[in-house]
Amino acid sequence: DTAVSQTPKYLVTQMGNDKSIKCEQNLGHDTMYWYKQDSKKFLKIMFSYNNKELIINETVPNRFSPKSPDKAHLNLHINSLELGDSAVYFCASSEPLTTEAFFGQGTRLTVV
Amino acid sequence: GDSVTQMEGPVTLSEEAFLTINCTYTATGYPSLFWYVQYPGEGLQLLLKATKADDKGSNKGFEATYRKETTSFHLEKGSVQVSDSAVYFCALSDIFNKFYFGSGTKLNVKP
Repeated sequence: DTAVSQTPKYLVTQMGNDKSIKCEQNLGHDTMYWYKQDSKKFLKIMFSYNNKELIINETVPNRFSPKSPDKAHLNLHINSLELGDSAVYFCASSEPLTTEAFFGQGTRLTVV
Repeated sequence: GDSVTQMEGPVTLSEEAFLTINCTYTATGYPSLFWYVQYPGEGLQLLLKATKADDKGSNKGFEATYRKETTSFHLEKGSVQVSDSAVYFCALSDIFNKFYFGSGTKLNVKP
């Protein structure tokens, strides 16, 4: 059983398109995250949700919109994709206070 | 704000060499500290963690000690293997459960 699963693993799309990445966790965690990893491997948090409520929203363009239908799912919608959006996007989940975050396998998004 | 700084790579070692990857942090309060490892084409996996000062995290021969006085959490392994080749990330989590990651250190181990 995969603890944090995200789909698709690879996504190639043209500039201007709208795409979604889905994430599901079966760990019963209350908190879920989206991270972006750039070509230099630098990880930056984008969003964090706790029990379906947005609690962290870093400086991310409005074209990125997370949606959490329930606490086990956190999807990422991206509108009007740009070349600079090309990166690996990681979903993660955790329990509050001191425990580790569990990561999905990542979605490699390539915008052409 | 909180942040994590780790040594730049890549680090290239021969098999059975001693490994140290330096990590220092800046935080308000008392964060938890972590080392994550990312193998090629995969997601991040927790390697070890420490939740309070002087705690030592250990796993698979890797160790790191939470040093509050020097705000450090250096990763060490006595004898690396080729299979340890990966990117290693130091991270902290604050009281709001927000994770901050270092820039990652790529380790190459040669036979």
